[in-house]
Amino acid sequence: ETGVTQTPRHLVMGMTNKKSLKCEQHLGHNAMYWYKQSAKKPLELMFVYNFKEQTENNSVPSRFSPECPNSSHLFLHLHTLQPEDSALYLCASSDARISSDSYEQYFGPGTRLTVT
Amino acid sequence: AQSVTQLGSHVSVSEGALVLLRCNYSSSVPPYLFWYVQYPNQGLQLLLKYTTGATLVKGINGFEAEFKKSETSFHLTKPSAHMSDAAEYFCAVMDSGYALNFGKGTSLLVTP
Repeated sequence: ETGVTQTPRHLVMGMTNKKSLKCEQHLGHNAMYWYKQSAKKPLELMFVYNFKEQTENNSVPSRFSPECPNSSHLFLHLHTLQPEDSALYLCASSDARISSDSYEQYFGPGTRLTVT
Repeated sequence: AQSVTQLGSHVSVSEGALVLLRCNYSSSVPPYLFWYVQYPNQGLQLLLKYTTGATLVKGINGFEAEFKKSETSFHLTKPSAHMSDAAEYFCAVMDSGYALNFGKGTSLLVTP
């Protein structure tokens, strides 16, 4: 596997279900991100992890719960979601070290989530 | 806070014509700027970036962008559009915490 992978690619869940999205990066990066992409809305940053520590939470509802067990893996745990949470969820990673001159983020293919 | 504005949510060009996608930024510090492309049902792919140095930046697939501080712009261009360039294009600026603030995107349509 190379780059950033996400599983599953598609997910349909009811409002009472609990599910998890998984992201894995094979780039040796130290920062990982969750974005939400809805139709007709700009990409919304949800969470940022830097060296496994959460550094940003953009007022995301508590029904979304991130987990970063190590610098290569990132999860988004979902429970009691609403239909308006249906969207494409994108994971990204980057080299966020001060010494780095890269800064760009590498994205996974996303998980298309439908809440019924 | 750093932000970007993309003018035009939809742009249509003929195959072989010049592509121009506009992006203006707002930043209190020297900005790091990016253009990404997204094809249907895929994630975002980096086209090019500006951090420091040369203000004309060349990217993949024949695209380039010029950082103009005086105009606070970072417009994306390609001399000759191909059908395969049809996609969604996003301009982004990096904030102080390394996260990216994206514009709303511009959908590029290429007609035969």
